[in-house]
Amino acid sequence: DSGVTQTPKHLITATGQRVTLRCSPRSGDLSVYWYQQSLDQGLQFLIQYYNGEERAKGNILERFSAQQFPDLHSELNLSSLELGDSALYFCASSVRGSSTDTQYFGPGTRLTVL
Amino acid sequence: TQLLEQSPQFLSIQEGENLTVYCNSSSVFSSLQWYRQEPGEGPVLLVTVVTGGEVKKLKRLTFQFGDARKDSSLHITAAQPGDTGLYLCAGSNSGYALNFGKGTSLLVTP
Repeated sequence: DSGVTQTPKHLITATGQRVTLRCSPRSGDLSVYWYQQSLDQGLQFLIQYYNGEERAKGNILERFSAQQFPDLHSELNLSSLELGDSALYFCASSVRGSSTDTQYFGPGTRLTVL
Repeated sequence: TQLLEQSPQFLSIQEGENLTVYCNSSSVFSSLQWYRQEPGEGPVLLVTVVTGGEVKKLKRLTFQFGDARKDSSLHITAAQPGDTGLYLCAGSNSGYALNFGKGTSLLVTP
């Protein structure tokens, strides 16, 4: 158990819909990262937050957005869903958010878009 | 995006055999990490290597960072069924994000 929690574990929805994925970081960690894992693309970095502020952006689509709240939990919002958005979405957390930090990954949310 | 290529993509061996997994890039990384991921779970960090030529051992696993810090290898001695999983390498540079390879899926059968 990494100490990072993610809900829900599974999500099945239809194209065009909007969903919200939730992540609670390890106690004491200030930085949260979101990753998408698909069979063809592997694990891709989406976005990072540090203490409520956006710190780095990766291959995140405009239809996706995220935020980190004052209690440090984070939400990833996916809208206008397409079939190709079906994937595993992981949240990771680290203490300071620097490149030398260890990132601890949650168990993931499996999103299926029908 | 700095690409990391892992080989082989799939590996199926019998218990007791040795194996090596490779992670290669044309880019230089300040550090490189190896993760193992089991089905239905998130990746778990195995090791971080930061110095060119560095070798780290974790029980039966030996990790090496290339002298030029562009490549790395993972060697498993006397593989066991419990070693089964997806092995991912990830490179880090001056930015904050990790660039992951697509992984090597290892199956060790008794």
